Amino acid sequence: KAGVTQTPRYLIKTRGQQVTLSCSPISGHRSVSWYQQTPGQGLQFLFEYFSETQRNKGNFPGRFSGRQFSNSRSEMNVSTLELGDSALYLCASSLTFLAGVNEQYFGPGTRLTVT
Amino acid sequence: TQLLEQSPQFLSIQEGENLTVYCNSSSVFSSLQWYRQEPGEGPVLLVTVVTGGEVKKLKRLTFQFGDARKDSSLHITAAQPGDTGLYLCAGSYNFNKFYFGSGTKLNVKP
Repeated sequence: KAGVTQTPRYLIKTRGQQVTLSCSPISGHRSVSWYQQTPGQGLQFLFEYFSETQRNKGNFPGRFSGRQFSNSRSEMNVSTLELGDSALYLCASSLTFLAGVNEQYFGPGTRLTVT
Repeated sequence: TQLLEQSPQFLSIQEGENLTVYCNSSSVFSSLQWYRQEPGEGPVLLVTVVTGGEVKKLKRLTFQFGDARKDSSLHITAAQPGDTGLYLCAGSYNFNKFYFGSGTKLNVKP
């Protein structure tokens, strides 16, 4: 079974621009979560989508948004990029929440550099 | 302030030594997971614990969930260079919203 795939793997953008990152979950997984990883803050939860609906949201500004399509693929968008948005953006997929067991499988991430 | 505090932050040991990594919180979690992450890659799930007091073993790795479900530990016996990486704990209250610890960077020297 193929793992979680993320595209692109590397991206360089300029301050003020916007960016869209893509994530394809493991086949059959309906939940997709997005995380931002930086050396200073570690891994921080952005949001989670399940059946095309945002089910959970972290504490990030409205410049960060996402969506999920009917085939469970997900995209996240960051508008008006700031230098501090430079990070590794990770996507994780899981089947669903069942009786406390909710195992996530991560993709390799997209390394975003904002200059 | 991190919801989950991991210690130590860095650990450099010789091959064959034992080590323990701690993950502590003042909050009660419905489940807790441990991951290992290598440079340039996403975290890889090692184990999920859901019951207070639960102990799980994965070859040379032993994971324990505290009785009150607020803390956890990861013990590695006879560490090998292949164990090198960033170890992360993550707790969840509901669905798939996880709070990650700051991580423990382990280096095992041959």
